[in-house]
Amino acid sequence: DQQVKQNSPSLSVQEGRISILNCDYTNSMFDYFLWYKKYPAEGPTFLISISSIKDKNEDGRFTVFLNKSAKHLSLHIVPSQPGDSAVYFCAASGGARDDKIIFGKGTRLHILP
Amino acid sequence: EAGVTQSPTHLIKTRGQQATLRCSPISGHTSVYWYQQALGLGLQFLLWYDEGEERNRGNFPPRFSGRQFPNYSSELNVNALELEDSALYLCASSRRFRHNEQFFGPGTRLTVL
Repeated sequence: DQQVKQNSPSLSVQEGRISILNCDYTNSMFDYFLWYKKYPAEGPTFLISISSIKDKNEDGRFTVFLNKSAKHLSLHIVPSQPGDSAVYFCAASGGARDDKIIFGKGTRLHILP
Repeated sequence: EAGVTQSPTHLIKTRGQQATLRCSPISGHTSVYWYQQALGLGLQFLLWYDEGEERNRGNFPPRFSGRQFPNYSSELNVNALELEDSALYLCASSRRFRHNEQFFGPGTRLTVL
């Protein structure tokens, strides 16, 4: 039972354009969402997060949008840069102290020159 | 500040053997999390330790076990290895009850032949 779904295994975007990575979740108890970025041979690194009380959070070139009614969130990267090529994991948690983070399968983003 | 460290980097075992993976958290972090990233899958939550106790466990058989030592470092043990245990095993750490702020190590690549 996959509670966090990233339906696009890969995405290619031209350098300078907007990259949009999508994520869907099924558990309505999730109240905190995160995006992690992973380069080969490295562990994931935290990118940006959003609480369910918000519908948008922005940090530099990265913006996460949350649509609770659709149980959908997206990560926008503007403008896309070559160093953004990586695997992006969407994750969610229920917010309680003993809740674990549930990760999606990841989307591999390729930034084309 | 040193990050999360894991050892060994690579581990090759044969079916039926036991594997022991180690993790040292960031100084000041008391929680350690273990994840499995098998080919084509996202990060699957394995175990969460805090203050020496198991706080939560993912949907894995009992042959996956671990412990946390008084210095907060942790071991993951996998008994009776099966071919499908071949994966990247990632360790993360966080401050107590700050499971939404996990920092990951580079991982241990386990290959079961």
